[in-house]
Amino acid sequence: SQKIEQNSEALNIQEGKTATLTCNYTNYSPAYLQWYRQDPGRGPVFLLLIRENEKEKRKERLKVTFDTTLKQSLFHITASQPADSATYLCALDQGGSYIPTFGRGTSLIVHP
Amino acid sequence: DAGVIQSPRHEVTEMGQEVTLRCKPISGHDYLFWYRQTMMRGLELLIYFNNNVPIDDSGMPEDRFSAKMPNASFSTLKIQPSEPRDSAVYFCASRPGQATTGELFFGEGSRLTVL
Repeated sequence: SQKIEQNSEALNIQEGKTATLTCNYTNYSPAYLQWYRQDPGRGPVFLLLIRENEKEKRKERLKVTFDTTLKQSLFHITASQPADSATYLCALDQGGSYIPTFGRGTSLIVHP
Repeated sequence: DAGVIQSPRHEVTEMGQEVTLRCKPISGHDYLFWYRQTMMRGLELLIYFNNNVPIDDSGMPEDRFSAKMPNASFSTLKIQPSEPRDSAVYFCASRPGQATTGELFFGEGSRLTVL
């Protein structure tokens, strides 16, 4: 069956360090993968999209990698700040339809 | 732009009652999605519309759930009768027809508690 797996345990890191979150998937051949941020009591907010033919995408302090052989995406936040504390969701689709299926998300807590 | 607007933000009801959740998508967006989020199952797609037409409702859990989009600026998700296991946060999202990033714009959600 199709699965999108994100670490269910919260990631605790110290301010200034790089946070790395993982998204693994099985039985998908996604045309792209998206990352969203969700704050408590709010809806998810889109951060980045990376396509299957792209290895890496950057946006300010964010970096996303996409390895279709390993079936994995890594999401990095460099120089992390307490304001980066949130739940981060990965989402992907099959066939490029832009109808995403979401992982359950990983909570990131950045300590001052 | 006000973004995607959902109402009510919170709803507490008793088992067996009818629940109607409402959504106003961003003007000009051709696609509208209803998702449900729980701790156990995460964010699940229930149904989506393209140009007011339901395209895929395979995520709707059962016949107690129904969704309509009578025009481009309004959609409803109805649960009748409601059950405690329907307790969740229901999100509406929209996006343009011409998707370059496929970004979904989410509302703030409707938190439903069925007692």
